[in-house]
Amino acid sequence: ETGVTQSPTHLIKTRGQQVTLRCSSQSGHNTVSWYQQALGQGPQFIFQYYREEENGRGNFPPRFSGLQFPNYSSELNVNALELDDSALYLCASSLAGGVYYEQYFGPGTRLTVT
Amino acid sequence: DQQVKQNSPSLSVQEGRISILNCDYTNSMFDYFLWYKKYPAEGPTFLISISSIKDKNEDGRFTVFLNKSAKHLSLHIVPSQPGDSAVYFCAAQTTSGTYKYIFGTGTRLKVLA
Repeated sequence: ETGVTQSPTHLIKTRGQQVTLRCSSQSGHNTVSWYQQALGQGPQFIFQYYREEENGRGNFPPRFSGLQFPNYSSELNVNALELDDSALYLCASSLAGGVYYEQYFGPGTRLTVT
Repeated sequence: DQQVKQNSPSLSVQEGRISILNCDYTNSMFDYFLWYKKYPAEGPTFLISISSIKDKNEDGRFTVFLNKSAKHLSLHIVPSQPGDSAVYFCAAQTTSGTYKYIFGTGTRLKVLA
């Protein structure tokens, strides 16, 4: 059973640029969520995708967008990068309808915006 | 608006003793609560959960207690082991209306040998 993987591990971008982060869900999981974790903070929920549709969103502006593909892999796109977007971005997969709603996290992508 | 709060940023406990990590929440619509453990350079790992209709759930050395009237939950680890040293996050989920999953700010637990 393959766990959740994310790429790239680290990324440096300039303010105003666009970035795409990628995630492969754990085998058999049909739901993926994305989180932003700033230093010293807990993960902040960005959005969740289920069967390729967004079905929940946190307090993030529209320049944060996502995609989920038929194989349940996912992308997080961030446009017009700002300095405050520097953070660890975590992807988590889960099985919708699972009893415990626990999520399985990848190791994250560290994004630095300069 | 921090709907899930962990007011203790850090906690040190002697090996073999009990560790108690606390979490408070404000949204009465949360229907599920979970605890995650995070080691450096890794994503959070699920530890234990509890439904809002229960007040206790136990799994080995880990027990989670939920006090709905006080909007408070706690994680007890007995006995504490050095390998338990990590950052612990509580999380709350609501499926009412728009789905949301809210994490607290974390408590760093250090178990001293």
